[in-house]
Formats: sequence, structure tokens, C-alpha cells
Amino acid sequence: KAGVTQTPRYLIKTRGQQVTLSCSPISGHRSVSWYQQTPGQGLQFLFEYFSETQRNKGNFPGRFSGRQFSNSRSEMNVSTLELGDSALYLCASRPLEGAGANVLTFGAGSRLTVL
Amino acid sequence: GENVEQHPSTLSVQEGDSAVIKCTYSDSASNYFPWYKQELGKRPQLIIDIRSNVGEKKDQRIAVTLNKTAKHFSLHITETQPEDSAVYFCAALAGTASKLTFGTGTRLQVTL
Repeated sequence: KAGVTQTPRYLIKTRGQQVTLSCSPISGHRSVSWYQQTPGQGLQFLFEYFSETQRNKGNFPGRFSGRQFSNSRSEMNVSTLELGDSALYLCASRPLEGAGANVLTFGAGSRLTVL
Repeated sequence: GENVEQHPSTLSVQEGDSAVIKCTYSDSASNYFPWYKQELGKRPQLIIDIRSNVGEKKDQRIAVTLNKTAKHFSLHITETQPEDSAVYFCAALAGTASKLTFGTGTRLQVTL
């Protein structure tokens, strides 16, 4: 079974630009969550999607947005990039039913550098 | 919202010794507590988890204990090995949402 796949793995942008990151969950996992990881702040929750609807949202500005498609793949977008947006963006998927319903499986992440 | 504090931020032990990492949480409704290990340049991976109806869980050299009254939980690694060197994150989850709140991580270094 393929794991959580994130693309691109690395990208460099300049301030003011926007970026779109993609996440393909494990087959059968309907929930996708996004986390921002920085050395100073650790792992911070951005949002969770399932059934193509945002179900939970963390404390991030409106520049951070996401969506989920009918095949459970998800994208997140960051507009008007700031230097402080430089981070590793991790996607995690989980099934919605069964014993593993709370267990997040992470992707390898997309490392964004904003210059 | 939930707040998770994790200590220590760094921990150095000699190979064969035990390591203990402690976390406290604020939301008494939290009912699921996973621990993730993140090796350098890799993704976080679940190593053990515990639910609020259990006080302790073991898996070979690792164990987790939970004290619901005090709202703290701990990771215990015995007979540490160099491959245990990594950053360990605790987390807490309230309800059925996957909004895990993570601790700030503990960098464990196992020296020979």
C-alpha cells in the first residue's frame, strides 16, 4: 500500500508569491490534515478535510487555505508569502472508521523556503 | 484550546541507559495520546499510543504511562540504542477530530 505522497518535496519562492502544495493520502484514508513544522514552533495544525469539507482549522491567517477533491487528494495554498512561512509542510491522512481512526500517517513533507 | 507541554527539550543518555520524556496537557477531554519519532530529514512516525481508558502500554523497549488525574503522560525507552536518537513528539487529541496538538519535541541523543 502506497504511503502519503506529497509534492513538490522542495520549493523556493519569493515574498509576495503564492504556492500550492499537493497531498495524496493512503488509499482508503478519507481524512487529510496539514501541519506546519518549524524549528521554533514545532508541529502546528493548519486544517483537516474529509468529504471535501474543512472540518477543523488551526490558528493561521486566511492566507493559508486548502481544499479536498472527491478522490480525497488535498491541496493547500499559501498566498502573499512571507519570510516566516518558510517551513516544512506535512500532510497526514487517517481512516475515518475502525481501530486506526485516530492514527495519523504523515507524508515526507514539502519544504518551502521563502526568500 | 488544548496545550501540550513537553520536557526536556534535549536529552542525552548513554547507550543502554533509560530515557524518559514527559508531557502535560490542559484539556481534560483529551482521550488519545500518541508519540511520534522523527529522525533527521524524515517524516514523523507513530511509535506508540495510549487511550484514556488505559494507564500503561508497552511495546518491547518502549512504554507509555498516562495519569489522567494529573493530566500528564510519559514515554519510557529502556536499553537505549544509537538508532533511538531522534526527535520525539508527544501529542494529545480531544474528541473525534484529528486536530492533534503536539508538544515542542525532545531531541534524544544516545551516545556510545
